Amino acid sequence: DQQVKQNSPSLSVQEGRISILNCDYTNSMFDYFLWYKKYPAEGPTFLISISSIKDKNEDGRFTVFLNKSAKHLSLHIVPSQPGDSAVYFCAASALDSNYQLIWGAGTKLIIKP
Amino acid sequence: DVKVTQSSRYLVKRTGEKVFLECVQDMDHENMFWYRQDPGLGLRLIYFSYDVKMKEKGDIPEGYSVSREKKERFSLILESASTNQTSMYLCASRPGGVQDTQYFGPGTRLTVL
Repeated sequence: DQQVKQNSPSLSVQEGRISILNCDYTNSMFDYFLWYKKYPAEGPTFLISISSIKDKNEDGRFTVFLNKSAKHLSLHIVPSQPGDSAVYFCAASALDSNYQLIWGAGTKLIIKP
Repeated sequence: DVKVTQSSRYLVKRTGEKVFLECVQDMDHENMFWYRQDPGLGLRLIYFSYDVKMKEKGDIPEGYSVSREKKERFSLILESASTNQTSMYLCASRPGGVQDTQYFGPGTRLTVL
């Protein structure tokens, strides 16, 4: 049973528009959430994180929103650029699991020119 | 810059062979991790280590073992490779803080024939 779900395997967005990637989780003990980005033939790289005490965290073009009641988080990329084309993984962790990361399956984002 | 290196980018082995995957990090990180990444399943934790000579099982340790004799090096061992161990293997390291970022190597694509 997947505790972290990314229900869209892929997403195609026009360059310059907003990209919204979604992630749902089932474990209410998760208190820290991260997004990683992965290019082909490279390891994932950290993008942005959010603690459960917040509902929004922003870093440049990237904003993560957390809705604890819905157990849902989303990553917004504005404006989308060609270099944003990659696979995006959502991950979650909890104190009672020693903050081991539980990963979603990933969403492949394609930015169209 | 944190650097995590993995000994091979691509590896082809035969069923029953013993396989060693090496990972080295250069930032004196306490924690190291081995994951495998499969399509539709995200990253799954195989083993992790919080200190030299210390190891903990992750979610899917069966068929694998690990070794951490030095702080900078974490090895994954497939005692007798099987075709269902064909996968992308990712090593990561993390400083001591539980909410610190994990830094990943480029991955090893292992094919077991």
